[in-house]
Amino acid sequence: KNQVEQSPQSLIILEGKNCTLQCNYTVSPFSNLRWYKQDTGRGPVSLTIMTFSENTKSNGRYTATLDADTKQSSLHITASQLSDSASYICVVSPISGGYNKLIFGAGTRLAVHP
Amino acid sequence: KAGVTQTPRYLIKTRGQQVTLSCSPISGHRSVSWYQQTPGQGLQFLFEYFSETQRNKGNFPGRFSGRQFSNSRSEMNVSTLELGDSALYLCASSLEGSGGRDTQYFGPGTRLTVL
Repeated sequence: KNQVEQSPQSLIILEGKNCTLQCNYTVSPFSNLRWYKQDTGRGPVSLTIMTFSENTKSNGRYTATLDADTKQSSLHITASQLSDSASYICVVSPISGGYNKLIFGAGTRLAVHP
Repeated sequence: KAGVTQTPRYLIKTRGQQVTLSCSPISGHRSVSWYQQTPGQGLQFLFEYFSETQRNKGNFPGRFSGRQFSNSRSEMNVSTLELGDSALYLCASSLEGSGGRDTQYFGPGTRLTVL
């Protein structure tokens, strides 16, 4: 069964610190992997998208990495800010199929404290 | 360019009632998808509409239905509401809806509470 598992489930860090969120997947083959940021009470916003052949993608202080061999992705947040407090969702798209085939992780809830 | 808008933002209903949620996609986007998000289940795909036709459907009962109009605006209807339908309902639009290759832009969601 295709799955996407994220860890940790929740994380608390101090403002200015770095952190790394993990995403392990079993989807194979896959078309791309995305990281979304979702603020409380808002819709998810796409942060990065990587195809199976890419191994890193940056968006400001957010850097996503992908290791297709180990089927792992990580999202690294540098110099965290209070506004980074949100849920981060990893989504894998299989090689074929529409949005009904997207596999969503349960998300990591990040809290950045002053 | 305006983002995806959803109305209403909050809704309180009682069991057995029905509800209609509305979504206006980004101008030029033809694909509209609906998702249900709950703390326990995360994001779950409901259905996708493209050019007024339902193109994909998730594993939800027939009480959940939708439609898309010629201007790409979409509505979602839930009949005979149950307590378990309480959730955040998200609408997402994209240009062509080509699955994972096309970026989806999400609206702010409608928070439905069923009492």
